[in-house]
Amino acid sequence: TQLLEQSPQFLSIQEGENLTVYCNSSSVFSSLQWYRQEPGEGPVLLVTVVTGGEVKKLKRLTFQFGDARKDSSLHITAAQPGDTGLYLCAGVSNAGNMLTFGGGTRLMVKP
Amino acid sequence: GAVVSQHPSWVICKSGTSVKIECRSLDFQATTMFWYRQFPKQSLMLMATSNEGSKATYEQGVEKDKFLINHASLTLSTLTVTSAHPEDSSFYICSAARDRGHEQFFGPGTRLTVL
Repeated sequence: TQLLEQSPQFLSIQEGENLTVYCNSSSVFSSLQWYRQEPGEGPVLLVTVVTGGEVKKLKRLTFQFGDARKDSSLHITAAQPGDTGLYLCAGVSNAGNMLTFGGGTRLMVKP
Repeated sequence: GAVVSQHPSWVICKSGTSVKIECRSLDFQATTMFWYRQFPKQSLMLMATSNEGSKATYEQGVEKDKFLINHASLTLSTLTVTSAHPEDSSFYICSAARDRGHEQFFGPGTRLTVL
């Protein structure tokens, strides 16, 4: 069974601060996805990283895939209250499009 | 494109009754649909994978007789929670993919509350 450990589980910061969320596994994934979920809604895909060492930027969000394709990080610069939500990483299996979700990081950005 | 809807968005039912949740791919054909369950402040846990026209594949620990899944067409999958109990109260989320190996698109979720 492939497992994804996500940390921290909860993060409360002030507007303008930077933060990093980590997603680690002992297994190799074909790719890794990051989602953001608002309360009462389904998760929304932010990015998919495919190549080991890949770095993708989405405005103030920077996503990195580890060289060995086992871990990933999400860095948010100058966090804003609108960034508040549940961030989920999900590993995509080598066998197809099965997703294994991490435990999630609940982010709260205070104005 | 790639919009997935769920109906109802929320439902409250009495213990012992059955509840059906629909998942529809609105603008594409989905040969594979997935059903997830999410408890408060927790992550998504895969319950089962359904392929159009065939029986669903359930994850370990998920009772197939309790959570009936039907994927009768390329745009519709249903999850029926039979003889629901309070511990079945949860947020149920479906996703749809054009076929295996393709990206999953998630629905907005259905909140089930069993009294």
